[in-house]
Amino acid sequence: GESVGLHLPTLSVQEGDNSIINCAYSNSASDYFIWYKQESGKGPQFIIDIRSNMDKRQGQRVTVLLNKTVKHLSLQIAATQPGDSAVYFCAEGNNFNKFYFGSGTKLNVKP
Amino acid sequence: DVKVTQSSRYLVKRTGEKVFLECVQDMDHENMFWYRQDPGLGLRLIYFSYDVKMKEKGDIPEGYSVSREKKERFSLILESASTNQTSMYLCASSPGVFGSSGGMGTFFGQGTRLTVV
Repeated sequence: GESVGLHLPTLSVQEGDNSIINCAYSNSASDYFIWYKQESGKGPQFIIDIRSNMDKRQGQRVTVLLNKTVKHLSLQIAATQPGDSAVYFCAEGNNFNKFYFGSGTKLNVKP
Repeated sequence: DVKVTQSSRYLVKRTGEKVFLECVQDMDHENMFWYRQDPGLGLRLIYFSYDVKMKEKGDIPEGYSVSREKKERFSLILESASTNQTSMYLCASSPGVFGSSGGMGTFFGQGTRLTVV
């Protein structure tokens, strides 16, 4: 199957700084991408998505960037807060919304 | 608020038992999924369903079966539980074919941590 990977398994940032979490995907036919946040003991929580016809999308304190040329996806979190500490997954998908997930990046926010 | 509910948060079962994991969604979604999540391996798709009574194998269907008799309910069945099926199981749902989904994404339940002893 397709592979979705993350460059950094663990990321530590200072509270108030911006965070950037990266993801590489392998299937150039994927047309839909999602970022999830998973806190300890909970299921993944939808953060933001982006379609392949876009290269940037913004939400509340989060921005997703998509570079289809190099098959790269990133999640930017502005003014990172302690509550942002979690594991973040990217996922790629296409028809029927069948998705493939990366193994996750753990974000640690230092006070 | 959207909701995917898994019947149990924690389960302990014995080797060889038949195990049922239940999942219900209240969003009238067409698609439902079962994943397992293991450290270092991420989420792996076991089975999915895009309509009532329809099912498709995911990447790791061996040792599992599923049932979708009603649109809102998707059950995962471990026919004869084994210790290597100890894992976190996550149910998810999403709207229909992406073209009509409006980019709503896939929503997950809280997970069932299954331990097979």
